[in-house]
Amino acid sequence: GQQVMQIPQYQHVQEGEDFTTYCNSSTTLSNIQWYKQRPGGHPVFLIQLVKSGEVKKQKRLTFQFGEAKKNSSLHITATQTTDVGTYFCRVYNQGGKLIFGQGTELSVKP
Amino acid sequence: EAGVAQSPRYKIIEKRQSVAFWCNPISGHATLYWYQQILGQGPKLLIQFQNNGVVDDSQLPKDRFSAERLKGVDSTLKIQPAKLEDSAVYLCASSLEWQVQETQYFGPGTRLLVL
Repeated sequence: GQQVMQIPQYQHVQEGEDFTTYCNSSTTLSNIQWYKQRPGGHPVFLIQLVKSGEVKKQKRLTFQFGEAKKNSSLHITATQTTDVGTYFCRVYNQGGKLIFGQGTELSVKP
Repeated sequence: EAGVAQSPRYKIIEKRQSVAFWCNPISGHATLYWYQQILGQGPKLLIQFQNNGVVDDSQLPKDRFSAERLKGVDSTLKIQPAKLEDSAVYLCASSLEWQVQETQYFGPGTRLLVL
């Protein structure tokens, strides 16, 4: 079945540094969603990407969907302590099943 | 607009006991999801309802887990009997419809510890 790999699993940065997490699929995706889960909290929707090569921005966050629609990235510029949490990608596989990535846990040292 | 409600928030039980979780989705949301999230992992879909019908329960351990959404609104997830490996956060989510582009709204979750 379709696998979704998220890398890295953990990222520790100094406040002000940039951060990127990647979500890679073995098959073409119809769309991809990104969620953020704060420690002890629940996943919260961030963005959805649908079109090949799509780029969306939310303040310091930049989301990209690959040209082949098999991978995506989330980039945070100049991290802040409020960015702490785990970032998940969510996709539907070709069989119509919902899959969340393993997540990238971001910690930010002030 | 009220969010997804779940109860209880925490539950501690001994193995082989039974436990039930309740979820009330956002009003008007036709699709309801139950996820299991083990510490350090992403949410794993257990069951997905569209109104009161099951869309996907392929990852639900049916020998011990059951779920229902009888009137197409709130839902109950039951574990009977519980095992140690069932210790996890059980998340309920809802979306307006069952479409691949629908945003999911999550409840706060129920943290289950099986001793």
